[in-house]
Amino acid sequence: QKEVEQNSGPLSVPEGAIASLNCTYSDRGSQSFFWYRQYSGKSPELIMFIYSNGDKEDGRFTAQLNKASQYVSLLIRDSQPSDSATYLCAVNRGSYIPTFGRGTSLIVHP
Amino acid sequence: GAVVSQHPSWVICKSGTSVKIECRSLDFQATTMFWYRQFPKQSLMLMATSNEGSKATYEQGVEKDKFLINHASLTLSTLTVTSAHPEDSSFYICSAHNPGPDGYTFGSGTRLTVV
Repeated sequence: QKEVEQNSGPLSVPEGAIASLNCTYSDRGSQSFFWYRQYSGKSPELIMFIYSNGDKEDGRFTAQLNKASQYVSLLIRDSQPSDSATYLCAVNRGSYIPTFGRGTSLIVHP
Repeated sequence: GAVVSQHPSWVICKSGTSVKIECRSLDFQATTMFWYRQFPKQSLMLMATSNEGSKATYEQGVEKDKFLINHASLTLSTLTVTSAHPEDSSFYICSAHNPGPDGYTFGSGTRLTVV
């Protein structure tokens, strides 16, 4: 069974710090990896996607993928209170249906 | 690009009635759409995969006769919750596979409350 594991948190960081969110997956054939942000009562919105090993940076966000170790992480630099949300990791193999983790709740306190 | 419109955003209905939720891809054709349900503080639970022109594929434990899915065109999928009960109250979200690199686009969700 394909599984995507995330620590449910909450992860609490002070404003301006780096928030590090982690995700592990069980399917070695996974090819696409996504990070979504979901505010309470809203639907998920895509933050980053990554396909290749290594880092991918977009503004304050960096996704890191290590296929050998089967983990993908999201770093948020200069965390802001507006970053407080639940972050969902999703993984899929080609055109298969993505599998979502349970999400990590992030709290950025002033 | 790759916008998915979902309506209504919220609905309150009486127990025993049916509710229809629409999911439209506005600027791309979506041969496959997905319906999720999310209870408070829980993750997304895939209910079914909707395929244009064919029957939906339901996940284990999801009643196909209660959650009717129709995907009659390349831009529209509907979910009808039949004979709704209070335990069906939840946040329902659709998504569509889009041809871009980001893969999947979510609708804005529908908050269903059955009283």
